[in-house]
Amino acid sequence: GAGVSQSPSNKVTEKGKDVELRCDPISGHTALYWYRQSLGQGLEFLIYFQGNSAPDKSGLPSDRFSAERTGGSVSTLTIQRTQQEDSAVYLCASSLAEGAGPQHFGDGTRLSIL
Amino acid sequence: QQQVKQSPQSLIVQKGGIPIINCAYENTAFDYFPWYQQFPGKGPALLIAIRPDVSEKKEGRFTISFNKSAKQFSLHIMDSQPGDSATYFCAASIGGSNYQLIWGAGTKLIIKP
Repeated sequence: GAGVSQSPSNKVTEKGKDVELRCDPISGHTALYWYRQSLGQGLEFLIYFQGNSAPDKSGLPSDRFSAERTGGSVSTLTIQRTQQEDSAVYLCASSLAEGAGPQHFGDGTRLSIL
Repeated sequence: QQQVKQSPQSLIVQKGGIPIINCAYENTAFDYFPWYQQFPGKGPALLIAIRPDVSEKKEGRFTISFNKSAKQFSLHIMDSQPGDSATYFCAASIGGSNYQLIWGAGTKLIIKP
């Protein structure tokens, strides 16, 4: 597609369940970023991929959060045993390479934990 | 020292006015300062960016002013329109890179018709 695609656009789940969020970056973009945006707040960096490798996982808030990227393309962010404080919009961005050009964002997945 | 402080939190301006959004930083190693625009339900989109070797950059109605000695930079929107109503984020990074941008908290801008 022409832009970064994220799915689902909305996800409502019960506390304690696991969720998977998907990101399809722009074709040819080797760098991929995950952010979390709480209501009315700025963006919180979670993790960054260059190709399939994640040089920086420092932003992941706990060991319940994990992410992978396969084939240098699609990435999945997994949150295990969700908590209410995980409720937020999860944004994915991609760029040509780390540091090369702007980050292009998807429209995010709005996650609500009941 | 890694923070970027953005103000105001919200701003209401009449159509045609010039909203100004300010950001301040402490880390002198920052050397790339972008502004992003975010509409409700959408991801942020790069609006304009500046590096510290210039004091001002214009793109259309949007201008970044940069004051290196004060460690401040600001966004001005000339001849503002209702369609400019959005949340604006400043950010900063090291190495002239988009990697691990440090984000301001955002300014919700409303342009009244």
